[in-house]
Amino acid sequence: EAGVTQFPSHSVIEKGQTVTLRCDPISGHDNLYWYRRVMGKEIKFLLHFVKESKQDESGMPNNRFLAERTGGTYSTLKVQPAELEDSGVYFCASSQLAGLGYEQYFGPGTRLTVT
Amino acid sequence: AQSVTQLDSHVSVSEGTPVLLRCNYSSSYSPSLFWYVQHPNKGLQLLLKYTSAATLVKGINGFEAEFKKSETSFHLTKPSAHMSDAAEYFCVVSDLYSGYALNFGKGTSLLVTP
Repeated sequence: EAGVTQFPSHSVIEKGQTVTLRCDPISGHDNLYWYRRVMGKEIKFLLHFVKESKQDESGMPNNRFLAERTGGTYSTLKVQPAELEDSGVYFCASSQLAGLGYEQYFGPGTRLTVT
Repeated sequence: AQSVTQLDSHVSVSEGTPVLLRCNYSSSYSPSLFWYVQHPNKGLQLLLKYTSAATLVKGINGFEAEFKKSETSFHLTKPSAHMSDAAEYFCVVSDLYSGYALNFGKGTSLLVTP
C-alpha cells in the first residue's frame, strides 16, 4: 500500500511569488490534514478535510493560504503571495477514520524556502 | 487548551544503553497521547499511542511509554538503543478540545553513538 506522498519535496521561491503544494493521501482515506513546521517551532495544524469539505481550518494563518481538495482525492495548498515567514516544512497526513486516538499517516513533507 | 512540553531538544546515548525521552502534557480533557518518529527524509511514523486503556503502552521497535496522570507525563523509553534509532521524536496530544488536530511538542533529536 502506497503511503502519503507530497510534491515537490523542496521548493525555493522568491517573496511575492506563488507556490502550490500537492498531497496524495492513502487510497480510501477520506480525512486529509495539513500541518506545517516553521523553523525552530512546533509542528502546527493548519486544516482538516473530510472528503472534499473543509471540516476545520482554524489553523490557517491568513488568507494568503488556500487549500483545496476537489473530488475528495488529492489536495493542494497554495500560498499566494509568499512571504519570508512562510518558510518551513509542510506536512500532509491522512486517516481513514477521524476522532480521538485515531492514527494519522504522514507524508515526508515539502520543504518551502522563501527568499 | 492542551499543550505538550518535550523537556530535551537533544539527547545523546551510546549504542546499547537505555533511552529516555521526556514529555509532559497539559489537557483539560481526557487526552490521547502519541509518540511519532521522523527519520531523515521520511514521513512521521507512529511509534505508539495511549487512548485511556492500559497506562503502559508498547510500541514498535522496542519502544514503550507510560501514561502517568498524576505527573502529567508520557515519557518514551527503550532498554537498549540501536544506531537505527537516531531520529527526531515528537510527543503529541489530542483531546476533545482540539478535535481532530494533533498538538505537537517541539521534538527531541536522538543521537546514538557507537
